Amino acid sequence: AQTVTQSQPEMSVQEAETVTLSCTYDTSENNYYLFWYKQPPSRQMILVIRQEAYKQQNATENRFSVNFQKAAKSFSLKISDSQLGDTAMYFCAFPFNNAGNMLTFGGGTRLMVKP
Amino acid sequence: DTGVSQNPRHKITKRGQNVTFRCDPISEHNRLYWYRQTLGQGPEFLTYFQNEAQLEKSRLLSDRFSAERPKGSFSTLEIQRTEQGDSAMYLCASSISGTETQYFGPGTRLLVL
Repeated sequence: AQTVTQSQPEMSVQEAETVTLSCTYDTSENNYYLFWYKQPPSRQMILVIRQEAYKQQNATENRFSVNFQKAAKSFSLKISDSQLGDTAMYFCAFPFNNAGNMLTFGGGTRLMVKP
Repeated sequence: DTGVSQNPRHKITKRGQNVTFRCDPISEHNRLYWYRQTLGQGPEFLTYFQNEAQLEKSRLLSDRFSAERPKGSFSTLEIQRTEQGDSAMYLCASSISGTETQYFGPGTRLLVL
């Protein structure tokens, strides 16, 4: 079975500082995608960043970057210069079926950015 | 691009009643997914359509649940004889095959009393 584990249920960070959210997964596939989604309180889920497993270069999107360690099956999200609007649940997700790309999600990390 | 829309946004019903939710995907997205999310948890996959064909169903999708996508555009998810355990957020997502990224709607929050 393919699983996704987020070991930090809650985290907090001071505004303007950097925080890293961890994610590990288990798969026997070689080519796949990994995703981080953000779900603000009472708002819809939006894509933060995605990583293609066959690319060695870590993905970056403005203040968001990943540390992808394929051999270790680790996919952490780094948020630099944290802003109050980054307060949200963050979910790591992985397609458990490459044909249909149905996603399995981790349990989420609740991030609170403090002023 | 108007994004994925879902209706209604909230639904309160009594146990035993039937409910139906609608999802309108981003236009030209041929893949459509339904997920269920309970409070404080990550979404769980329910079912998936490519065009009008329902290609995958999770074991979570009991026989009280049925989903359709008759013309390959919008989709409906019906729950018959609702139970209190059905209370959750029902999320719809869409994508284009080959692009991998799914875009989510705002969800329908169901409360079964």
